[in-house]
Amino acid sequence: QKEVEQNSGPLSVPEGAIASLNCTYSDRGSQSFFWYRQYSGKSPELIMFIYSNGDKEDGRFTAQLNKASQYVSLLIRDSQPSDSATYLCAVNVSDNNDMRFGAGTRLTVKP
Amino acid sequence: EAGVAQSPRYKIIEKRQSVAFWCNPISGHATLYWYQQILGQGPKLLIQFQNNGVVDDSQLPKDRFSAERLKGVDSTLKIQPAKLEDSAVYLCASSNGGEQYFGPGTRLTVT
Repeated sequence: QKEVEQNSGPLSVPEGAIASLNCTYSDRGSQSFFWYRQYSGKSPELIMFIYSNGDKEDGRFTAQLNKASQYVSLLIRDSQPSDSATYLCAVNVSDNNDMRFGAGTRLTVKP
Repeated sequence: EAGVAQSPRYKIIEKRQSVAFWCNPISGHATLYWYQQILGQGPKLLIQFQNNGVVDDSQLPKDRFSAERLKGVDSTLKIQPAKLEDSAVYLCASSNGGEQYFGPGTRLTVT
């Protein structure tokens, strides 16, 4: 079983819609969870992190964490064409800040 | 604040040749990571340094890959000899215990 799993997509949503990205992880002891955005040909950039169960909102982005279900999600409200990118879910699997990444979900927002 | 620097940005070599990549982390960041990102996949951790000591190299193919971080600052990653399957983007990241900041990456093509 992969440590971090994501639907590879592609996920296509119309401009202005809500995009929902999902991620599951295998290590029940994981404590820190991250969402990175990666534009084609660029390096990943952090957009959200979450440590506690529940929701965390930052502008148009909401991260949701359910440790009992080992599930993390990212909601993007009012999706814009500039949100079109690959979204990587990452999980810290140890106290050493050792990060494991999912394969990423490719999102396309159509004007 | 300057970001993570990497060089070269692109490298093309033939199989069985050797290659080296260089990374200069953000000033003051104690932790440095090397990742391999194959097209269509998420970044895979190769090695993690804390200052000049290795924290995790469990996924580093040690028969052909080596890395060092002299004086706890700059780092080099070497592949010798290269195989076709080593074609990927090699990402360097640094952190000071929290968010990881990525460099622009080195795109390696092995022919």
